[in-house]
Amino acid sequence: GAGVSQSPSNKVTEKGKDVELRCDPISGHTALYWYRQSLGQGLEFLIYFQGNSAPDKSGLPSDRFSAERTGGSVSTLTIQRTQQEDSAVYLCASSFAGTSVETQYFGPGTRLLVL
Amino acid sequence: AQSVTQLGSHVSVSEGALVLLRCNYSSSVPPYLFWYVQYPNQGLQLLLKYTTGATLVKGINGFEAEFKKSETSFHLTKPSAHMSDAAEYFCAVSVLGANSKLTFGKGITLSVRP
Repeated sequence: GAGVSQSPSNKVTEKGKDVELRCDPISGHTALYWYRQSLGQGLEFLIYFQGNSAPDKSGLPSDRFSAERTGGSVSTLTIQRTQQEDSAVYLCASSFAGTSVETQYFGPGTRLLVL
Repeated sequence: AQSVTQLGSHVSVSEGALVLLRCNYSSSVPPYLFWYVQYPNQGLQLLLKYTTGATLVKGINGFEAEFKKSETSFHLTKPSAHMSDAAEYFCAVSVLGANSKLTFGKGITLSVRP
């Protein structure tokens, strides 16, 4: 079956521009996560969606970052007024029910470069 | 809060040699522990995980790890390295609760010499 897909695979943008990153989770998975992978910070949790519950936004680094999940499936991570420190690989993951013991399945990531 | 420590950033072994990648965790509640592998330009793939029960867990590609509560460790081993094992390895922890996020270590790059 299809895994987690993300688009675009690479994005180059200018400082100050807004960007949108997309994630398509595995069909039937109710939980969706966004993580950021950067050289200085390693892998960091950003946001978590579970079913119809309010998302856990505790990992978002600033109010320039937001995410939504439409129809319980596709998710979009938006970064407004991008800064050079936003350059990183943004990884999306999904799991069946969102419990702590489950395997999270990761997409290939979107590599973002802010010039 | 939970944390994971992976000492060192790079390990190099010869093909056929033992692979040992160290992971120590910190958690005030019982942890769930994971090892993920990342091949170049790919997403993370689960190697193995410990949740409850048997403390020695076996994963894919001949890897295994042992949960040692007294040492707060979850080291990853493989008896004989293969060239295809060259990748970056991440140890991660989660705990029971409303947020099932993974907290990752910094990762270790494994190189395998012919």
